[in-house]
Amino acid sequence: DAKTTQPTSMDCAEGRAANLPCNHSTISGNEYVYWYRQIHSQGPQYIIHGLKNNETNEMASLIITEDRKSSTLILPHATLRDTAVYYCIVRVASAGTASKLTFGTGTRLQVTL
Amino acid sequence: DAGVIQSPRHEVTEMGQEVTLRCKPISGHNSLFWYRQTMMRGLELLIYFNNNVPIDDSGMPEDRFSAKMPNASFSTLKIQPSEPRDSAVYFCASSPPRGGTNEKLFFGSGTQLSVL
Repeated sequence: DAKTTQPTSMDCAEGRAANLPCNHSTISGNEYVYWYRQIHSQGPQYIIHGLKNNETNEMASLIITEDRKSSTLILPHATLRDTAVYYCIVRVASAGTASKLTFGTGTRLQVTL
Repeated sequence: DAGVIQSPRHEVTEMGQEVTLRCKPISGHNSLFWYRQTMMRGLELLIYFNNNVPIDDSGMPEDRFSAKMPNASFSTLKIQPSEPRDSAVYFCASSPPRGGTNEKLFFGSGTQLSVL
């Protein structure tokens, strides 16, 4: 699976949009971009994933550049509960059953008042 | 749905003792993953199963670690003998059969293991 590069940490004011970047310049055509987050002392939580189109769900939006070499996770109105480590993962979606998910070091997002 | 259930939540043991961690995946899920998390090494995949069959155990640290999945609703991770460097949080995760939501892994709350 392709490697990803994320900033170590970021701050965001509550109520503002949090934009978390991720570089995956070696991504292959059949690899998806996934985002998970881990709130302190909990297991990781799935947020969103995409292949090449932008995606939106109730938690966040995912913007993938046209060349697919980078992406941005957007939390439109960050709250204190969004303080967590955010992981960007590139992964081949294999046919049939699950393939492994490899976590990097992620971005520690601190949402402040 | 109760989600992925792990037990125990906390385990404190002495070096040399056998430790067994347990996991009940979400009903209907057919893939199960064991991860270990430490400050130094982050989240590491140890092993994963598809349809109760181990697919990739390359992350298992050494022969002291073993994992089984005797049926679709139960898995164990055993460490024998345990060592202080095994101290970590161990997470179990499951995912459903392929079909749109296969890509999502659902994680349990983890087992905090301390080996003294």
